[in-house]
Amino acid sequence: AAGVIQSPRHLIKEKRETATLKCYPIPRHDTVYWYQQGPGQDPQFLISFYEKMQSDKGSIPDRFSAQQFSDYHSELNMSSLELGDSALYFCASSLGQDPFGYTFGSGTRLTVV
Amino acid sequence: GQQVMQIPQYQHVQEGEDFTTYCNSSTTLSNIQWYKQRPGGHPVFLIQLVKSGEVKKQKRLTFQFGEAKKNSSLHITATQTTDVGTYFCAGQAAGNKLTFGGGTRVLVKP
Repeated sequence: AAGVIQSPRHLIKEKRETATLKCYPIPRHDTVYWYQQGPGQDPQFLISFYEKMQSDKGSIPDRFSAQQFSDYHSELNMSSLELGDSALYFCASSLGQDPFGYTFGSGTRLTVV
Repeated sequence: GQQVMQIPQYQHVQEGEDFTTYCNSSTTLSNIQWYKQRPGGHPVFLIQLVKSGEVKKQKRLTFQFGEAKKNSSLHITATQTTDVGTYFCAGQAAGNKLTFGGGTRVLVKP
């Protein structure tokens, strides 16, 4: 069965650079969520999209932006990267906004040096 | 905002023993979900509880949702080495995002 695809799997960037993370949800899933997970931490909600519109916003820095495209894939754009942005970034998708469980992608590990 | 707390943070279990992890929300939830994350992996959905007082079982795992829909527990019997990982509860209020608890990191001693 198709899963949530995230790319790239690993990314190394220098401080003040930009990064773009991509997420391809399960086919027919219309809702995408982005989470940030620091080492030993629980996933922290960043932002979500339902039918290509932002549906909820969490602790996402102003330096980050995201969008969901017409094919339902989503991109998280991160600018002026800081060392503290180093983390695992998970994307999850679901059908509808009150779903029966999220399906998470394998994550993108971002390292800022 | 909504907060979800989990205890204990760490659980060291002898293989074959039972243990329970607890989850408490600051607000009433529409549902609570449980996820397992293996070291180096991503969260994997285990179960969702919706009804007040609901109890669900998956083999050696028993999940319970409190009567007030603000707390939940996961009980694992006869722990195996394959149970190693971090178990997260995640609460969802109606129409809102999923808020994760801090997780219980389970280590199994053979």
